[in-house]
Amino acid sequence: QKEVEQNSGPLSVPEGAIASLNCTYSDRGSQSFFWYRQYSGKSPELIMFIYSNGDKEDGRFTAQLNKASQYVSLLIRDSQPSDSATYLCAVHTGGFKTIFGAGTRLFVKA
Amino acid sequence: GAGVSQSPRYKVAKRGQDVALRCDPISGHVSLFWYQQALGQGPEFLTYFQNEAQLDKSGLPSDRFFAERPEGSVSTLKIQRTQQEDSAVYLCASSFLGGERNIQYFGAGTRLSVL
Repeated sequence: QKEVEQNSGPLSVPEGAIASLNCTYSDRGSQSFFWYRQYSGKSPELIMFIYSNGDKEDGRFTAQLNKASQYVSLLIRDSQPSDSATYLCAVHTGGFKTIFGAGTRLFVKA
Repeated sequence: GAGVSQSPRYKVAKRGQDVALRCDPISGHVSLFWYQQALGQGPEFLTYFQNEAQLDKSGLPSDRFFAERPEGSVSTLKIQRTQQEDSAVYLCASSFLGGERNIQYFGAGTRLSVL
């Protein structure tokens, strides 16, 4: 079992819809969770971070964390074609390591 | 500089050659990370520095990989006797402090192709 798992996709949604991206992790002691966006051929850029159970909203983005279920998700409201990218879930598992999932490819159709 | 700078952006090496990849982190950032990203995969942790101290090198795939950060700023990742399986994008990231809550900022990466 991988430490951080994501559905590789592709996830295809129409413009204006809500995109829902999911991630599960195996280390129950993990405390910090990050969502990065990576355009093809570019480096990852931080979208959201969340440390506490519940929801965290920032503009069109909402991160949700459920530590009991070891589950973190990212919702993108009013999806735009410019949101088309790979979304990486990252988990700080303790020590100095951050473990990344393989990423979910999102396509937003105009 | 304003961001994390990596050089070269692209490197083509013949199998068996040694390569050196450079990372210049954001000024003042204590923590520096190296990752390897294969095509279609997420970044894989290689090593971590806090200032000049290499505190975790558990992700380095073999003893052909070596990283240093002698003055606590610029870091170099060296790969000796390159193999085809070393072909990947090598990403460097820095953060202001260590610790789990610190956000990492990534450089543009170095794409290494070993022929």
